[in-house]
Amino acid sequence: EVQLLESGGGLVQPGGSLRLSCAASGFTFSNYAMSWVRQAPGKGLEWVSTISGYTGNTYYADSVRGRFTISRDNSKNTLFLQLNGLRAEDTAVYYCAKFRGSNGYQSYYFDSWGQGTLVTVSS
Amino acid sequence: QSVLTQPPSVSGAPGQRVTIACTGSSSNIGAGHDVHWYQKLPGTAPKLLIYGSSNRPSGVPDRFSGSKSGTSASLAITGLQAEDEADYYCQAYDSRVSVNWVFGGGTKLTVL
Repeated sequence: EVQLLESGGGLVQPGGSLRLSCAASGFTFSNYAMSWVRQAPGKGLEWVSTISGYTGNTYYADSVRGRFTISRDNSKNTLFLQLNGLRAEDTAVYYCAKFRGSNGYQSYYFDSWGQGTLVTVSS
Repeated sequence: QSVLTQPPSVSGAPGQRVTIACTGSSSNIGAGHDVHWYQKLPGTAPKLLIYGSSNRPSGVPDRFSGSKSGTSASLAITGLQAEDEADYYCQAYDSRVSVNWVFGGGTKLTVL
């Protein structure tokens, strides 16, 4: 059974930093791309970032590019998201998700999700 | 404003059939990219319902089905049950600019 467990969320002041982690189990972690998706209070889902399995190629939404950094440690089956320069609009529950598809990245979808970790940016 | 447009809400009585539309454009659904659907209950993680526009993961009841045509897709739920009351999101790849996976704004399903 796939399990994804996020941690690292909390309250941070505007301009501050946080590092989110996602511990994965139940599948061969290095074989899969992984993503972060967030949901702001009362809002819909928003894709944040993706990292490929082996090559470590990274992709970011325009709203976070240059401020957030996604990484992974395949030896520890762990996904990370470094959040810098945080803004009030970054307040959200951040979900770690296993990312897969059958015919190139254009077909990819999020097939397993963690329970999320809440990031609150406020002074 | 979301790249993929969904109605904010739909409703139906138990046992009825409802559909949720997801309208895109030539840079996403109209470009032939697959559409995927998720169910989200308050306080819980999203759950994959439909992938590749019309495929159900193991464990998802066949009451849920998906289809795609042109620049739109739809999720149909038959035999509506109280437990189906949730938010539903469509998702696709958008090729307008840099790599970008996009979600619809979400649809709240109310079971009357």
